[in-house]
Amino acid sequence: DTGVSQNPRHKITKRGQNVTFRCDPISEHNRLYWYRQTLGQGPEFLTYFQNEAQLEKSRLLSDRFSAERPKGSFSTLEIQRTEQGDSAMYLCASRPRTSTDTQYFGPGTRLTVL
Amino acid sequence: SQQGEEDPQALSIQEGENATMNCSYKTSINNLQWYRQNSGRGLVHLILIRSNEREKHSGRLRVTLDTSKKSSSLLITASRAADTASYFCATERQLTFGSGTQLTVLP
Repeated sequence: DTGVSQNPRHKITKRGQNVTFRCDPISEHNRLYWYRQTLGQGPEFLTYFQNEAQLEKSRLLSDRFSAERPKGSFSTLEIQRTEQGDSAMYLCASRPRTSTDTQYFGPGTRLTVL
Repeated sequence: SQQGEEDPQALSIQEGENATMNCSYKTSINNLQWYRQNSGRGLVHLILIRSNEREKHSGRLRVTLDTSKKSSSLLITASRAADTASYFCATERQLTFGSGTQLTVLP
């Protein structure tokens, strides 16, 4: 399968715990995006990487959130001291080097904070 | 804040009918994209229309763009039960999404 993959697909955690999600983009895509989606809403942009450089972060990305893409391939999104409001679907998408703006999405990681 | 807003929020039609969804946005754009999302899944890109295009077709999909009104429409012809999903418009590279239109196609 050459699509975007995300792990885990589901995560249930208790409030205050730290969680980490992983995204593996399509191999030749140098651009990677994280989004958060709550029930009944469209995805909201969180952050963007070009290769290993994090070029943009949304104000939604509080200091409890951190994202990395150390070798310009896979990326991780960590949430520290989780809160119930962090419960959402976390989506990753990648985009190739070409000029197209089309993004290819992974299946998402559904986080439930109890 | 979300730039694109879809209308209606929900649409229920019979199989074989056409479905039309609209999208409005706030600022100037270079392109607009439509995505589909099946329940609990990631988004799938459907079609991209550039700001200098007025209409684009892809299979059973027809997209129009009116930059003077800052609006776009997505028409799905001869709908199928498998078209049941949420549909989102998105602008620019960060993909600012609206809340989507939930389409239900009844067999």
